[in-house]
Amino acid sequence: EADIYQTPRYLVIGTGKKITLECSQTMGHDKMYWYQQDPGMELHLIHYSYGVNSTEKGDLSSESTVSRIRTEHFPLTLESARPSHTSQYLCASSEGQYGGPQHFGDGTRLSIL
Amino acid sequence: GENVEQHPSTLSVQEGDSAVIKCTYSDSASNYFPWYKQELGKGPQLIIDIRSNVGEKKDQRIAVTLNKTAKHFSLHITETQPEDSAVYFCAAFSGSARQLTFGSGTQLTVLP
Repeated sequence: EADIYQTPRYLVIGTGKKITLECSQTMGHDKMYWYQQDPGMELHLIHYSYGVNSTEKGDLSSESTVSRIRTEHFPLTLESARPSHTSQYLCASSEGQYGGPQHFGDGTRLSIL
Repeated sequence: GENVEQHPSTLSVQEGDSAVIKCTYSDSASNYFPWYKQELGKGPQLIIDIRSNVGEKKDQRIAVTLNKTAKHFSLHITETQPEDSAVYFCAAFSGSARQLTFGSGTQLTVLP
């Protein structure tokens, strides 16, 4: 079973605050991803990384930023949260060739007041 | 880019019956097609996947079929059980974009 952890699970915070969502995996996977998902809706890729010091933006435009300083850690940061950022954020990782199984964490449900 | 369409959006079946969910994709370069099950409050969990060089794959009660010519793939669940109730997502990996594109999901309800 995949070991990928996201914290916090839930966050309710006021507008303008800086937020960092944490994602860690213990499998040594080189590829990691961030998806945004509104409840019951499809997943949209917002960021991905194919290795340390490598980050790219996904198809869905996002005001968030990411960093990949260590293989196991892929945090997502919002410098100034707004109500439009309210959503669920899912982190995933995969190994090996492109187009392989992605393993997901349980997500962070973010609410901006 | 890739576009994945998934049908139906909701599906209710009686326990013991079969369920079928269908997806179509647009990018002929897509070569990997996973299916995920998402339960309430949890992240998506991979349940089965198929690559473009295979037409069918089965794992116990779950099977996936792929028709590359028609660009569609389907999930088949036999002998459904109440614990199969969840949202199911199909996805397609485009080799050119190097990204997974997800369908819009199917809420499956298995009635006891």
